[in-house]
Amino acid sequence: EDQVTQSPEALRLQEGESSSLNCSYTVSGLRGLFWYRQDPGKGPEFLFTLYSAGEEKEKERLKATLTKKESFLHITAPKPEDSATYLCAVAGNEKLTFGTGTRLTIIP
Amino acid sequence: GAVVSQHPSWVICKSGTSVKIECRSLDFQATTMFWYRQFPKQSLMLMATSNEGSKATYEQGVEKDKFLINHASLTLSTLTVTSAHPEDSSFYICSARRGGSDSPLHFGNGTRLTVT
Repeated sequence: EDQVTQSPEALRLQEGESSSLNCSYTVSGLRGLFWYRQDPGKGPEFLFTLYSAGEEKEKERLKATLTKKESFLHITAPKPEDSATYLCAVAGNEKLTFGTGTRLTIIP
Repeated sequence: GAVVSQHPSWVICKSGTSVKIECRSLDFQATTMFWYRQFPKQSLMLMATSNEGSKATYEQGVEKDKFLINHASLTLSTLTVTSAHPEDSSFYICSARRGGSDSPLHFGNGTRLTVT
């Protein structure tokens, strides 16, 4: 059975304090790993897709990386508007499996 | 980017009544749409896969007679919660993908259902 574990569960950072969120996974036949941002009371917003180990994607202050066992979402010099829950999901041979997310809070 | 619209964004209904939620893909055709349910601080739980022109595929433990899904066109899927009870109160989110199974899902903004 495919599994996705995200850590930490919650993270509080000062504005400008860089950090990384982790997504560990086990999957039979990785078709893709996806990162989403979810604001309270809203649906997830797509951020990145990674398909193979070594791949990296960037968007503004966010950078996603992928290895054979985990993915990191690096956030550089975050701002308060980056506060949200970040979800990771893996597409295996069967279906899409989501992690429970990391709730990120950026303190001004 | 792909846009998925969901309506209503919130609804309050009395126990025993039915509620319909609409999900539309605005800028692409979706032969398949997905309905999720999310509890507070929990992961997204796939309820069913909606297939245009055919019956929906339900995940184990999801009552197909309670959660009726209709996918009548390439841009519209509906979820009807029948004879709603307070335990059906939740956040329901639909999604669709533009390409194959290795393409990302694009989500609607969700519907907060409260059954009193």
